[in-house]
Amino acid sequence: QMQLQESGPGLVKPSETLSLTCTVSGGSISSYFWSWIRQPPGKGLEWIGYIYYNGSTNYTPSLKSRVTISVDTSKNQFSLKLTSVTAADTAVYYCAMFDFWFDYWGQGALVTVSS
Amino acid sequence: DIQMTQSPSSLSASVGDRVIITCRASQSISSFLNWYQQKPGKAPKLLIYAASNLQSGVPSRFSGSGSGTDFTLTISSLQPEDFATYFCQQSNGTPLTFGGGTKVEIK
Repeated sequence: QMQLQESGPGLVKPSETLSLTCTVSGGSISSYFWSWIRQPPGKGLEWIGYIYYNGSTNYTPSLKSRVTISVDTSKNQFSLKLTSVTAADTAVYYCAMFDFWFDYWGQGALVTVSS
Repeated sequence: DIQMTQSPSSLSASVGDRVIITCRASQSISSFLNWYQQKPGKAPKLLIYAASNLQSGVPSRFSGSGSGTDFTLTISSLQPEDFATYFCQQSNGTPLTFGGGTKVEIK
């Protein structure tokens, strides 16, 4: 059974960089696509992007200029960096495995952007 | 981008009721449509993939249908544990997009 766990700071200052890591256990990261999705408080779900284990990426256009997703196959981890954050980036950030659907999700990490 | 429109945005129903949630895509997405259930404070859970396939472990009272632009999620007999928010999501193309959600509340 694949398990995913997000980790990283829960508070980020405006204009700084949000960084999160997702650790995958119960299976190898060297297959499937690995994705980040976010959900502002009380709102819907927004796909941020995904990465394949070989490093190829695809990002949502509205965030593309600020987002980097990377993968470390030796640690079975993938990571999210979002630069120049504002209060609008406050959300629960989920990592998930994508195989034409999101069948495994992390529990989510609340990241608040505030000074 | 492919826009996903769910209706209704919320509904009130009683235990035992049949519930139908619809999802419409702004262009044809074939059968690349998935449904998720989300309870407060939890991650979404996959219910239905590829429009009509029941995810392993999901009760058979859940079913999905449709293709092209119009899709439905049906709960044949609503149970207490089904009160949650439901989202559709298209995988026909990137950016991957979700519907706005349907909150199912107790009547």
